Amino acid sequence: AQKVTQAQTEISVVEKEDVTLDCVYETRDTTYYLFWYKQPPSGELVFLIRRNSFDEQNEISGRYSWNFQKSTSSFNFTITASQVVDSAVYFCALRYSGGGADGLTFGKGTHLIIQP
Amino acid sequence: AAGVIQSPRHLIKEKRETATLKCYPIPRHDTVYWYQQGPGQDPQFLISFYEKMQSDKGSIPDRFSAQQFSDYHSELNMSSLELGDSALYFCASSVGGNSYNEQFFGPGTRLTVL
Repeated sequence: AQKVTQAQTEISVVEKEDVTLDCVYETRDTTYYLFWYKQPPSGELVFLIRRNSFDEQNEISGRYSWNFQKSTSSFNFTITASQVVDSAVYFCALRYSGGGADGLTFGKGTHLIIQP
Repeated sequence: AAGVIQSPRHLIKEKRETATLKCYPIPRHDTVYWYQQGPGQDPQFLISFYEKMQSDKGSIPDRFSAQQFSDYHSELNMSSLELGDSALYFCASSVGGNSYNEQFFGPGTRLTVL
């Protein structure tokens, strides 16, 4: 069985602070994919990143960075110099690489509030 | 670029009624996924189709059924609606029916059951 845990239900920071969202996953599969999605108040799901289980390289995209550590089964997401527009619910998700059109397993999400 | 289209965007039904949600994937996408997101909850995978055949099944209630048509659009049929079915229903599409390719999500259909 697969499981994604986002222990932080809500985080509130002041604009320009750095913030890290934690994600811990469980899977018996050796090949899998990890994702982060952003869900702003408008409700759509915005894809942020996908990471293959064989690729442990960290990634940076502008103010966003991701730290994947297989040893601790974690895939954390850091926003540097946060902005009010970053306020949203962020979901970490896991997908089994079983060869079929498998669904995503989402964590419960972290509600990020950036205060001006 | 064309995105996933879902219709209707909003739907209000009474208990015990039926509802049909439609999903039109991105052109040339042959795989469709359905997710249900209750208020304050994470999206839950319901079911997926690849080339008009069911591919994976999640926590879809027996009262729900879905299919994918020859033009690759998909419909989610929900019968005997319950208050707990009130949720945001997402459709996503991808190419190839495999787990490698990214799922592109539609804007969702918000179903309210009164």
